[in-house]
Amino acid sequence: NAGVMQNPRHLVRRRGQEARLRCSPMKGHSHVYWYRQLPEEGLKFMVYLQKENIIDESGMPKERFSAEFPKEGPSILRIQQVVRGDSAAYFCASSLDTHSPLHFGNGTRLTVT
Amino acid sequence: AQKITQTQPGMFVQEKEAVTLDCTYDTSDPSYGLFWYKQPSSGEMIFLIYQGSYDQQNATEGRYSLNFQKARKSANLVISASQLGDSAMYFCAMSGGGAQKLVFGQGTRLTINP
Repeated sequence: NAGVMQNPRHLVRRRGQEARLRCSPMKGHSHVYWYRQLPEEGLKFMVYLQKENIIDESGMPKERFSAEFPKEGPSILRIQQVVRGDSAAYFCASSLDTHSPLHFGNGTRLTVT
Repeated sequence: AQKITQTQPGMFVQEKEAVTLDCTYDTSDPSYGLFWYKQPSSGEMIFLIYQGSYDQQNATEGRYSLNFQKARKSANLVISASQLGDSAMYFCAMSGGGAQKLVFGQGTRLTINP
């Protein structure tokens, strides 16, 4: 049973470009969460999605960031017009339901140059 | 609002010794979950152990156990017989309100010395 799959593992973008981060949840999991980790800090919640629905986006910056979890295919975290401050590790997690532990992917390390 | 506090930025322990990583929490939710995750230098987040707020027994998973003291709002992680491979960052986290919107602490960097 494959775990949560994130790609790419590392992503380098120049300021002003777009970053697209992908996450395939564990098989059977329909709850997806995105978290951001700045260096030497804990993870910070960004957004919680179920298939085709955004349930909670209270941790998402108001501009440039968006997330989706379509009926078919992976969840996508999209960052438009990236800035240096967007450099971080972005983790996706999935769970079977709202009471089960989260299982995290290996993260995507975004570097903005 | 929920809050997790990990007061030990770093810990150094001799191999084979037991180690306790501290975690205190604050929440007004009557129902919540407490989690510990390990993050080795390679960067992935590895789930270790979970404790529900209504669980009567302390959670155990192999060499990991969670010392849950509800009245003190603490959820310390105990690792028995530490190994060199235990060297990593350890994060305590909590969920509440029926969702898995986790709040994480700042982490403790554990180093196991041979």
